[in-house]
Amino acid sequence: DADVTQTPRNRITKTGKRIMLECSQTKGHDRMYWYRQDPGLGLRLIYYSFDVKDINKGEISDGYSVSRQAQAKFSLSLESAIPNQTALYFCATSDSTGGYGYTFGSGTRLTVV
Amino acid sequence: QKEVEQDPGPLSVPEGAIVSLNCTYSNSAFQYFMWYRQYSRKGPELLMYTYSSGNKEDGRFTAQVDKSSKYISLFIRDSQPSDSATYLCASWGDNDMRFGAGTRLTVKP
Repeated sequence: DADVTQTPRNRITKTGKRIMLECSQTKGHDRMYWYRQDPGLGLRLIYYSFDVKDINKGEISDGYSVSRQAQAKFSLSLESAIPNQTALYFCATSDSTGGYGYTFGSGTRLTVV
Repeated sequence: QKEVEQDPGPLSVPEGAIVSLNCTYSNSAFQYFMWYRQYSRKGPELLMYTYSSGNKEDGRFTAQVDKSSKYISLFIRDSQPSDSATYLCASWGDNDMRFGAGTRLTVKP
């Protein structure tokens, strides 16, 4: 099994719908992150959590919310999806020394029509 | 100005060539520097990280950091078609990770 598992892998949804992306990890890391990746813009941080009770906004949190259900689970919700939220979404984890690098999931390709 | 700048390429080289990938960064608080490889439709995979200035070698890959010029490099020796991917540089400091936009590399047989 992968260290960081994201579901679903692909999703097409309609404008205005609420959608949840899920992430679970077996790394035992305290820190978890949600990023979106767009061509030419790279990875941009949406939300991050340093432990179950600590959740913080990233640079592009508008239109998104998160829930840290357990150390191993971190979900991302789009409350009312819009077409410019079409992107590749990645969950990542790290230990307390984030400088050693992050472990990424395989991503969710989300299309909002 | 982005905190980590990376030439997006694309870069195309013949098999066996030496590849040089480069980034610059602006935040002096960055202490760790990383390179990730991302295959199509996959998540980024950590290749190596370096702390502060200096070189680090892992097989055919060498990472180089010059903090005085805020320059990060990755060298790939004897490049293989399996090295074809997008390479992302990243810098970390004070709990802040910043990624470059990635350079797409193609190694032709």
